[in-house]
Amino acid sequence: DADVTQTPRNRITKTGKRIMLECSQTKGHDRMYWYRQDPGLGLRLIYYSFDVKDINKGEISDGYSVSRQAQAKFSLSLESAIPNQTALYFCATSDAGLAGGYQFFGPGTRLTVL
Amino acid sequence: AQTVTQSQPEMSVQEAETVTLSCTYDTSENNYYLFWYKQPPSRQMILVIRQEAYKQQNATENRFSVNFQKAAKSFSLKISDSQLGDTAMYFCAFILYNNNDMRFGAGTRLTVKP
Repeated sequence: DADVTQTPRNRITKTGKRIMLECSQTKGHDRMYWYRQDPGLGLRLIYYSFDVKDINKGEISDGYSVSRQAQAKFSLSLESAIPNQTALYFCATSDAGLAGGYQFFGPGTRLTVL
Repeated sequence: AQTVTQSQPEMSVQEAETVTLSCTYDTSENNYYLFWYKQPPSRQMILVIRQEAYKQQNATENRFSVNFQKAAKSFSLKISDSQLGDTAMYFCAFILYNNNDMRFGAGTRLTVKP
């Protein structure tokens, strides 16, 4: 079984719709992250969470919100999707006690906003 | 703010040959970590190699090695005996010690030709 899972893997939606992307992990890590990947830009951090009661904005948080429902679950919401939010979205986790900042990534969600 | 630059959008190499991917970064901090991630067509992000900035010795993982030049802020990846399975997008990434904002380069698309 995968350590970090994301649902759905692919999603097509229309402008103005509310969308939720979900991430679950079985690694027992306390830190979770959401990134988006765009061609030519690499990955950029949207939000991150140190634990259930801690949520922090990343580099590009506008237009997004998150919820940390449990240590193992971290959801990303697009309140009103727009076409320039079409991208590949990754969830990642890391362990505060693991030296080196190494982040484990989920398989990604391809989101298309028409 | 920390930035990561990969100046080679695309590269190709013959099977069994050696290739070097370039990465430079900009930071005024002294303690940080550097990574190379591989993203094959499956789009999964896979850690290839990691380097702690306080270590002078270059990291090595089987056929993958780095040339870390701290003063020059350069972190190149060398792939020896290239294999068809090495065909992927490669991302250089940077994170400050005890920080959670990992910065990625735009990526280099590597094609290994038979």
